[in-house]
Amino acid sequence: DQQVKQNSPSLSVQEGRISILNCDYTNSMFDYFLWYKKYPAEGPTFLISISSIKDKNEDGRFTVFLNKSAKHLSLHIVPSQPGDSAVYFCAASGDYGGSQGNLIFGKGTKLSVKP
Amino acid sequence: NAGVMQNPRHLVRRRGQEARLRCSPMKGHSHVYWYRQLPEEGLKFMVYLQKENIIDESGMPKERFSAEFPKEGPSILRIQQVVRGDSAAYFCASSPQETGELFFGEGSRLTVL
Repeated sequence: DQQVKQNSPSLSVQEGRISILNCDYTNSMFDYFLWYKKYPAEGPTFLISISSIKDKNEDGRFTVFLNKSAKHLSLHIVPSQPGDSAVYFCAASGDYGGSQGNLIFGKGTKLSVKP
Repeated sequence: NAGVMQNPRHLVRRRGQEARLRCSPMKGHSHVYWYRQLPEEGLKFMVYLQKENIIDESGMPKERFSAEFPKEGPSILRIQQVVRGDSAAYFCASSPQETGELFFGEGSRLTVL
């Protein structure tokens, strides 16, 4: 049973345009959400996070939006650059009995930014 | 400041052999986590350790898998009597405290023949 779902396995965007990656979750006990970026043969790299007390967090070209009522979050990258091409994982944690480091990951969305 | 170091990067084992994966956390980090990624899947939490203690092993298979983080030396993930289904990328992460961002290593890719 997937508690964190990334329904789009892949996304292709033109350089300079906006990339929007989506993530849905089912567990209302999740209260902290993270996005990780992963290049082939490398470990995931932390990108940005958001606490459930906020609905938006921005860091440079990256913005994460959280809609708690819809149990939905999205990562916006603008403008997209070819170097952003990677797999993006959405992850969640919360007070559901697991430890804080027990992140629940989605299956990832592969972003391709074309020059 | 070196990142999370994992070795070996690639490990090939035959069915029934043992696999040992090592992880040295970032300097100053005392919290270590192991995750497994099967092909076409997201990362799945396995175990969370602090020095000499297992804090959360809710994601560890009940048999053949064990983990330790001794007072001195790296954390070790040990898989006994490996089977083909154990073939995966095993990622270690560390953090300076329990909450917050995890820093991941580059992973150890286990192939069981």
